[in-house]
Amino acid sequence: EAQVTQNPRYLITVTGKKLTVTCSQNMNHEYMSWYRQDPGLGLRQIYYSMNVEVTDKGDVPEGYKVSRKEKRNFPLILESPSPNQTSLYFCASSGTRGLVPGELFFGEGSRLTVL
Amino acid sequence: QQPVQSPQAVILREGEDAVINCSSSKALYSVHWYRQKHGEAPVFLMILLKGGEQKGHEKISASFNEKKQQSSLYLTASQLSYSGTYFCGTGSNDYKLSFGAGTTVTVRA
Repeated sequence: EAQVTQNPRYLITVTGKKLTVTCSQNMNHEYMSWYRQDPGLGLRQIYYSMNVEVTDKGDVPEGYKVSRKEKRNFPLILESPSPNQTSLYFCASSGTRGLVPGELFFGEGSRLTVL
Repeated sequence: QQPVQSPQAVILREGEDAVINCSSSKALYSVHWYRQKHGEAPVFLMILLKGGEQKGHEKISASFNEKKQQSSLYLTASQLSYSGTYFCGTGSNDYKLSFGAGTTVTVRA
């Protein structure tokens, strides 16, 4: 079954404690991306990756890091989480049409609370 | 920079039509539409590329006017299943995608 898998789905942590949210896709997609969703603000892109070892900033990259060492995996790293990073996070993958992402397949979301 | 969607919310009766608008201050190459049901992940509806094309998905269609940097999503003869939050995403042919804040559509029987 084609899918994007995120873990953990729910996490409560404390300020400053490094955490990683994993994302894996089994569709051989070149493009992967991370979004945060907050009430009234919609989806905001954090980082995206066009292929292995190629990543770039989205609209809200501050406080986050990513890496793309393998095509299927795109982890999101919060080195020193703060309460303003409390949010619902989505990972997504797609093929590409030139320099345009195709149909995005989203993971189920990871709800993160930073105390 | 996030595109601006309007209206923020709309309530419809089954069978009524609605239009959701999406505008950007940047030159656009692509517009992407998604629908999200409560508690679920967004689901793809359609992509429109530069060229003013119009696309359809069941009774949901969209237009893209790249000169005006705008797109509109048309919900025709709405069904209960159309309820959800609709997001437009805009791209400038550089892999980056910026989504709007969303339009919540409620369809009532």
